Amino acid sequence: DARVTQTPRHKVTEMGQEVTMRCQPILGHNTVFWYRQTMMQGLELLAYFRNRAPLDDSGMPKDRFSAEMPDATLATLKIQPSEPRDSAVYFCASVLDVGNTIYFGEGSWLTVV
Amino acid sequence: GQNIDQPTEMTATEGAIVQINCTYQTSGFNGLFWYQQHAGEAPTFLSYNVLDGLEEKGRFSSFLSRSKGYSYLLLKELQMKDSASYLCAVHTNAGKSTFGDGTTLTVKP
Repeated sequence: DARVTQTPRHKVTEMGQEVTMRCQPILGHNTVFWYRQTMMQGLELLAYFRNRAPLDDSGMPKDRFSAEMPDATLATLKIQPSEPRDSAVYFCASVLDVGNTIYFGEGSWLTVV
Repeated sequence: GQNIDQPTEMTATEGAIVQINCTYQTSGFNGLFWYQQHAGEAPTFLSYNVLDGLEEKGRFSSFLSRSKGYSYLLLKELQMKDSASYLCAVHTNAGKSTFGDGTTLTVKP
């Protein structure tokens, strides 16, 4: 059955290292979201794309985070350099079109030590 | 921007009914969604309202008043497995989806 796929599922890295998270949205979905979830902040919208074009990345720290969608089947979220405060679960989600249900991936659990 | 408020925590008894409220402020409103999230898992879709009124799906119902910027999720015949976080999310015409911080529901025997 169709689902959003994220890799890696779990990542432990040292402060200062680059981290790249990947997402394969559900085929045919035209909008892709990146969310970050921590105990303190809840589910924060970092960035989202429609038809591969970035629409809003105001929730993302620009100095170290970057989000891209090189093709319709791949979205990436990169952190360089990573810091301990980036430790969180990063969810990718996709939706068929505006007003439809969002489907979440299982998340990438990041720990920066 | 969007402001979404929901209670942080609620507790209810197995078999009872609980109502989780959500208030929001947004421009270009295009729907309000409710999601359930169990600890360590991704959010999953529960219910969706775009027009005013009540939507019923089994034990779950959701209500929307666009003029008041208000929604609630009603859970009936509570079961232990309903213990989870319930997230209210607002969608806009621009395709943006913003979530509230979630309400952690604990169901007790």
